[in-house]
Amino acid sequence: QKEVEQDPGPLSVPEGAIVSLNCTYSNSAFQYFMWYRQYSRKGPELLMYTYSSGNKEDGRFTAQVDKSSKYISLFIRDSQPSDSATYLCAMRMDSSYKLIFGSGTRLLVRP
Amino acid sequence: GAGVSQSPSNKVTEKGKDVELRCDPISGHTALYWYRQSLGQGLEFLIYFQGNSAPDKSGLPSDRFSAERTGGSVSTLTIQRTQQEDSAVYLCASSLGPLWTGKTNQGIHYEQYFGPGTRLTVT
Repeated sequence: QKEVEQDPGPLSVPEGAIVSLNCTYSNSAFQYFMWYRQYSRKGPELLMYTYSSGNKEDGRFTAQVDKSSKYISLFIRDSQPSDSATYLCAMRMDSSYKLIFGSGTRLLVRP
Repeated sequence: GAGVSQSPSNKVTEKGKDVELRCDPISGHTALYWYRQSLGQGLEFLIYFQGNSAPDKSGLPSDRFSAERTGGSVSTLTIQRTQQEDSAVYLCASSLGPLWTGKTNQGIHYEQYFGPGTRLTVT
C-alpha cells in the first residue's frame, strides 16, 4: 500500500464548477501538506501548503487538512479552463528532507 | 529571475549506455533535490543535497545511480548501464533552505522550485 493515495482521474468539469481534489495517507507523522499543479511537460509548481491541521485559503483555492481522518483536500472555486492540469498532493514529516507525493489527479475544465 | 534549468530536455539512449543529466538551480539556493516521475506515477524522491554534500541519498534505486553537486550549484545525476525501467522524467528542484534544519521547524517550509525535467527514454 502506498503511503499517499490519490485518485488518478481524469476529472472533467464544466467551467465555473467547484472542484474537489483529495488525498488519503497512512503515516500519522506527516505534518506538512502541499498541493502542486503540473502542466503537461512542465515541472510541478507549489499552489499551497499547510502545516498540521486546518484550512488555508488563497484566492479561488482552499486547502483542508483533517489529520484525524488522514485526509487532505483542495477545493477550486469558479474553475477555469486554465486550471486544467495534473494536481499532486505531497506531504512530509517534520524531521525529514523527503516529500512523499501522490500519483496526481488529472483535471480537465471544459469551456 | 531565472528558474531551475535542466539539460537535456529529452534523452534517448540504448540499454546499457551511461547517461548524465544536469541541473542548474536558482542562484543562492542551498538545497537541491532530484526526483523521478514515471508514467502515471507521482514523484519519487532520489537524493537531497545541502551545499555539496548529500545527507540523504536513500531514494537512489541502485548503485547504478549516482549524483554530485559542485560549487554549491550545478548538480549532475549519472545513470550507468541504463535499463528500460530507468525510462522516466527526472526532475530537479531547489530551495532557499533545507526542508529540515535538524530541529523542529515549527511550520517553516522552504518552497521547492522545480525545473522542467529531463525525459529519459531507454530503448
